[in-house]
Amino acid sequence: AQSVTQLDSQVPVFEEAPVELRCNYSSSVSVYLFWYVQYPNQGLQLLLKYLSGSTLVKGINGFEAEFNKSQTSFHLRKPSVHISDTAEYFCAVTPNQGGKLIFGQGTELSVKP
Amino acid sequence: SAVISQKPSRDICQRGTSLTIQCQVDSQVTMMFWYRQQPGQSLTLIATANQGSEATYESGFVIDKFPISRPNLTFSTLTVSNMSPEDSSIYLCSVEDPSGNTEAFFGQGTRLTVV
Repeated sequence: AQSVTQLDSQVPVFEEAPVELRCNYSSSVSVYLFWYVQYPNQGLQLLLKYLSGSTLVKGINGFEAEFNKSQTSFHLRKPSVHISDTAEYFCAVTPNQGGKLIFGQGTELSVKP
Repeated sequence: SAVISQKPSRDICQRGTSLTIQCQVDSQVTMMFWYRQQPGQSLTLIATANQGSEATYESGFVIDKFPISRPNLTFSTLTVSNMSPEDSSIYLCSVEDPSGNTEAFFGQGTRLTVV
């Protein structure tokens, strides 16, 4: 079985500051890793994904994440956030290529001016 | 990619009644997924719906409470039966990428409030 832990439920930051949203996972098999964003009153949108290859993955809106197998982590980073990045961010894993995902608890990113 | 249309977007329902949520995809997909997002919480998979077979339910979810239909490769419905206030959640439909990429697409969700 797989599980995902997002270590921070809320992350308040000021505009143009860097941010890191932490995600750790547990799995006895290899997994694919994802970060999704949910803007208020909207569905989920894929930010980025790690399937294989380079451990540094770049996504949309200037976000990137680094897969660390030894630490079973997949932290999301952005060097300079905008007000428009205010949203809920979900880390997710799947052990196969199907769309069945196991989600973390979510991290609410709040960007203040 | 896939575009998903989910209806209704929100509803307020009386306890004891049932609500059917529709999910329409613009491409044929093998599997469709239904998730629940309770207030302030993450997404939990309810069931996987394959066309032509019974839906597969996750632990804690049963067919009598959440019957699912999957009449063709582009459409599915989830019914929330005999509702109680604890069923107040956002229900989301999801599909795998019909192009074969490892990615899931989500509908906008149905925000259900049971009073």
